Amino acid sequence: SAVISQKPSRDICQRGTSLTIQCQVDSQVTMMFWYRQQPGQSLTLIATANQGSEATYESGFVIDKFPISRPNLTFSTLTVSNMSPEDSSIYLCSVVIQGGGQPQHFGDGTRLSIL
Amino acid sequence: GENVEQHPSTLSVQEGDSAVIKCTYSDSASNYFPWYKQELGKGPQLIIDIRSNVGEKKDQRIAVTLNKTAKHFSLHITETQPEDSAVYFCAASADNYGQNFVFGPGTRLSVLP
Repeated sequence: SAVISQKPSRDICQRGTSLTIQCQVDSQVTMMFWYRQQPGQSLTLIATANQGSEATYESGFVIDKFPISRPNLTFSTLTVSNMSPEDSSIYLCSVVIQGGGQPQHFGDGTRLSIL
Repeated sequence: GENVEQHPSTLSVQEGDSAVIKCTYSDSASNYFPWYKQELGKGPQLIIDIRSNVGEKKDQRIAVTLNKTAKHFSLHITETQPEDSAVYFCAASADNYGQNFVFGPGTRLSVLP
């Protein structure tokens, strides 16, 4: 498997501000994903981070609110823009090391609270 | 699209007993079914997975069974220990969907000493 590091691990932010979350992997991976986990809930896919091109967003998530970058095979960022209390969640990065129906491996997440 | 249901939502067992969590899925194209364990303050950790060409897989105290006809798969934990206490998520995926996972709502397992 891979070692997946997310920064920050937690943050408390004011409404209307933006926060960028980083996901760093210790080896090259084929796919990277961003999930949201609301308190006590399951995981919801936000988008697939595509290397060198625009991310692929799931229904209900838009680029203006959650811009994503993936400049190379080991790094991605998710920005949560113009935050409101409803954005308080855990944001998780996951990776697939090789293609072809392989498992996703998750980082420990970023716990975000909006005041 | 795919829909995954998971039962029960909470489960309490005595240490040493067995625990069973069941998931059902809707899309017959799904062919990969992982199980994740999430401890407090941590990300989900893969504990076992199964593909649609296999009916059962076992890894020490953990096993997963798959019934493709009925579209359900189950996690079995034997000889439970307090450290098994966590939230467990099942997921379903189809290769042709680019490894997009659809997760179940989760089961909170408590193992009582």
